[in-house]
Amino acid sequence: GAVVSQHPSRVICKSGTSVKIECRSLDFQATTMFWYRQFPKQSLMLMATSNEGSKATYEQGVEKDKFLINHASLTLSTLTVTSAHPEDSSFYICSARDYQGYYGYTFGSGTRLTVV
Amino acid sequence: SQQGEEDPQALSIQEGENATMNCSYKTSINNLQWYRQNSGRGLVHLILIRSNEREKHSGRLRVTLDTSKKSSSLLITASRAADTASYFCATRNNAGNMLTFGGGTRLMVKP
Repeated sequence: GAVVSQHPSRVICKSGTSVKIECRSLDFQATTMFWYRQFPKQSLMLMATSNEGSKATYEQGVEKDKFLINHASLTLSTLTVTSAHPEDSSFYICSARDYQGYYGYTFGSGTRLTVV
Repeated sequence: SQQGEEDPQALSIQEGENATMNCSYKTSINNLQWYRQNSGRGLVHLILIRSNEREKHSGRLRVTLDTSKKSSSLLITASRAADTASYFCATRNNAGNMLTFGGGTRLMVKP
């Protein structure tokens, strides 16, 4: 089956620094990747949709300069949280989908970001 | 933004009992999917039901879909302690390829 690898699983950073989260599709080409944010005991909120080779589409209220998304290849998308603040602490999850949707939506295991 | 609501928000049952979770959504959909999430982990796809389907089974899971009421239910029969997790419904509409998630139900199955 399809596998999406998300790295790192946990990261602690200082306020003001930037953190990069990687999402890789291991055995399929992910033409579309999705980035979600999840607060404790809450649902997943879509932050942005990225298509390979083009700019990401951000949901309303998500700062594109704050959350930089790069989808430079068919197997890798990255989310960079720039100038992180404690309120950016959250659980970030990526999801990938192949062109025809054959593999459906496959989710990474998530990244727990703590900004101190 | 979230598509809809799930109820109950939390459910606690004994092993062997059945667990039923409900999901309501707001717009027309192409399909509805149910996912499971263990604490602090990613999501695992459980089952997908298309808009022209009314019921689907997979092992101990039974999903129903009522498009007239814009609602779905997930039934887990003969629950096990290992079923303890959060369960989310997610809808995909006809216009795009993104999923929109419900609020989730936190299920606890006591041994």
